[in-house]
Amino acid sequence: AQSVTQPDIHITVSEGASLELRCNYSYGATPYLFWYVQSPGQGLQLLLKYFSGDTLVQGIKGFEAEFKRSQSSFNLRKPSVHWSDAAEYFCAVGEPSGTYKYIFGTGTRLKVLA
Amino acid sequence: GAGVSQSPSNKVTEKGKDVELRCDPISGHTALYWYRQSLGQGLEFLIYFQGNSAPDKSGLPSDRFSAERTGGSVSTLTIQRTQQEDSAVYLCASRPGLAGNIQYFGAGTRLSVL
Repeated sequence: AQSVTQPDIHITVSEGASLELRCNYSYGATPYLFWYVQSPGQGLQLLLKYFSGDTLVQGIKGFEAEFKRSQSSFNLRKPSVHWSDAAEYFCAVGEPSGTYKYIFGTGTRLKVLA
Repeated sequence: GAGVSQSPSNKVTEKGKDVELRCDPISGHTALYWYRQSLGQGLEFLIYFQGNSAPDKSGLPSDRFSAERTGGSVSTLTIQRTQQEDSAVYLCASRPGLAGNIQYFGAGTRLSVL
């Protein structure tokens, strides 16, 4: 079955520390891959996406993610976290055809310590 | 407006009542999606509209849920005879009609069924 796993429900890091949020997916073919961020009371904002090509993708707010086909992973990274990065992060797989609908992971809530 | 607009932002209703949730997609976007975000279930796909094609209703959880999209633009999600388990945030997203484009999300409607 198609699924997305974000194994960390909560992560706490200190401001200035590096961050890695994990995402693993199960899908028959290489899907489209996304990371979205949701701040309280807000909708989902796209951080970055992978469709094809270079497996290291850069996004907004200093985030990057690396697609590793052999591990079915698409982990999100940031070298230095800012207090404003505290939010919930969702990894999503997008169908590469048909409806292009998303399958989301359950999210990782990030807390940043001053 | 520039983004996806949803109304109301919050809705409190009594068990057994019907509710209607509205979504105004980004102008020109031909694809529209509804998702539900609930505790313990994460973000789930509900329904997809693309132009004048028949919608993909495969994610609707029961026949109490229905949606329509008038004139290829505004969409309404209707929940009949609401139950407490319907309490969730309902998110709408729109996408340009081209393959592979990202989905743009509204801020959602938080539904509370008492």
